Amino acid sequence: DVKVTQSSRYLVKRTGEKVFLECVQDMDHENMFWYRQDPGLGLRLIYFSYDVKMKEKGDIPEGYSVSREKKERFSLILESASTNQTSMYLCASSSGSDLNEKLFFGSGTQLSVL
Amino acid sequence: GESVGLHLPTLSVQEGDNSIINCAYSNSASDYFIWYKQESGKGPQFIIDIRSNMDKRQGQRVTVLLNKTVKHLSLQIAATQPGDSAVYFCAEKGWGNNRLAFGKGNQVVVIP
Repeated sequence: DVKVTQSSRYLVKRTGEKVFLECVQDMDHENMFWYRQDPGLGLRLIYFSYDVKMKEKGDIPEGYSVSREKKERFSLILESASTNQTSMYLCASSSGSDLNEKLFFGSGTQLSVL
Repeated sequence: GESVGLHLPTLSVQEGDNSIINCAYSNSASDYFIWYKQESGKGPQFIIDIRSNMDKRQGQRVTVLLNKTVKHLSLQIAATQPGDSAVYFCAEKGWGNNRLAFGKGNQVVVIP
């Protein structure tokens, strides 16, 4: 089975801090994604990557950046955390032929920005 | 953009009964649909998917039905168990590499 691992289950940060959320997948998937999940809003795509060093903006990229230096690892960066970035962050991956199909998700990181 | 939604916010089901979770979609060009299950405190877990050239697909205890005429998708769970208690949400994708559009979710509560 695909395993997508997010390094932290819970994080508490202060406004203005730089935050790194790490995600690793073990199935040699080409595509990786970062979503945030908020009550009543569902899953919203922040960024995705279809290859090493490649990245594409999703629907809500403002305030975020990403890094894909290795195929298995996709990092989400909050340059200066703000309270409105308090959310559940979900990483996902998919195989090359299924860019936007059959995404496999990690367990999520609940980020609280105080 | 086009939206994906669920009819019922909460579905209470007696253990052992069958569950039916409904999803309406508005993009007639969507050609791929997928169901996820999300238990409390966990990430979404893939259940089953279906392409628009099919009307029905079965998995282990689950069946997905696609009615393209009325743009309706449903997930049927047979012999519902307490472990089936979760939020279920559907997602759709238009032709090509369009992004998945997720519904907001529907809570299923299994009564022992």
